[in-house]
Order: sequence, then C-alpha cells, then structure tokens
Amino acid sequence: QLVLTQSPSVSASLGASVKLTCTLSSGHSSYTIAWHQRQPDKGPRFLMKLNNDGSHTKGEGIPDRFTGSSSGAERYLTISSIQSEDEADYFCQTWRTGRSWVFGGGTKLTVL
Amino acid sequence: QVQLVESGGGAVQPGGSLRLSCAASGFTFSNYGIHWVRQAPGKGLEWVTFMRYDGTNKYYADSAKGRFTISRDSSKNTVYLQMDSLRAEDTALYYCAKDSAVGDFGDHVIDSWGQGTLVTVSS
Repeated sequence: QLVLTQSPSVSASLGASVKLTCTLSSGHSSYTIAWHQRQPDKGPRFLMKLNNDGSHTKGEGIPDRFTGSSSGAERYLTISSIQSEDEADYFCQTWRTGRSWVFGGGTKLTVL
Repeated sequence: QVQLVESGGGAVQPGGSLRLSCAASGFTFSNYGIHWVRQAPGKGLEWVTFMRYDGTNKYYADSAKGRFTISRDSSKNTVYLQMDSLRAEDTALYYCAKDSAVGDFGDHVIDSWGQGTLVTVSS
C-alpha cells in the first residue's frame, strides 16, 4: 500500500534552517512526490515536484530558500533563513497511476 | 496565471446533496486533468477524485465511490463535483486542483490550487 509518512510537527527559530521529511512506504522508494504548503486561512500552494534523484522543479514564485532533496525512500524539504510567513502546514503528495493520489499527514512548522 | 475558483459550498443536512463548481482560467483547460481534494476540520488533506484532461477516465477515493461524481464542461472551463448522500464526515473545505501532466504525459502532481469552498453536513 502506498503511504507517505510525515512527522506531525517541528519548530525552528527565525532565520534558522529546517529539514522536513516525507517517507515513502516500502516498495515505493522511486516515486516522485510534490511538496505543498498551506498557510493559516489560505488555500494550499504548490512548492515543488521532487524526483527520487533529488532533482526538483519549483512552482512559480517559490523563493530560493525552499529546496528539495532525496535519499532512498525519503524526500526532504529544506527551508533556509526561516521567516515568520513560513509558519504553515507542509504536505507531501504522490500518486499511483490509474488508481489514486495520496497525501502525507502533514507537518506543522512553528516558527519561534 | 492559473486561477481556480470554487463555489457551491454551504450547509446541508445528512443525506442531502450539493454540487460544487470549479471555474478554471489561465491555462488550456482541455490539456489538464482536475482533482478535488478536501480538508476536514483539524485534519490533513484528503484526495477525493480526479478526472482526466479528456474526461475519459475518472478516479475516486473509497470514501467518495458511489456517492460523488466528477464531471467537466469544456465549453465553460468548469469542473463539477456532485455530492449525494452526504454524511457528517464529509464536512470539509473542498479544493479543486490542477494536475501537472499535459494530456497523458508527465507526472501527476498537483501544481495549482483554488482557495476552497466549505461544505458543512449537519442536522
């Protein structure tokens, strides 16, 4: 079964860096994912598409502070020089061709 | 730029029906598939349904099968979600979202989102 696992919450200080993790279930380590951000009281925003080799394509207007990387079944989103507006929920998403689309449970980032 | 505007949400009693609309602009509508995704209060994102760019195939989450129907009107650049036999657990913010694959080519990640429309199912 295709499952994406994320830690429920993480906190980081203003100006620091944080690395969020999305883990693909066994047998699905080659899958491409997407990262999305949902700020409070706003619709989600597409951040980037992230491949298993770490290459990524960012959405329009996404700052350079947001980068993606991969290692095995793990997909990472690193946010550098954290700003207050980065406080949000972050979701990873993938799909199974001809079947379904899947979201991770989301990670809530708190900026201290 | 890509715009997706949802409408049609509201309050409905259990067992009732509602039809959501998603008006799309800023891209060639006939080239892209459209998803509906929802977020219940205090919960994460849940994929609901997807319709291919040409309307030939539709896919549903188990929670939506048999009760929800996705459709599209290319003359209006609009996608609909007909929701029947609504339950309290269908209460959520419903988003339409654009798939990134062009026709049958590319990865099926979501690359654009609407702002959402709220559906409340309660007696």
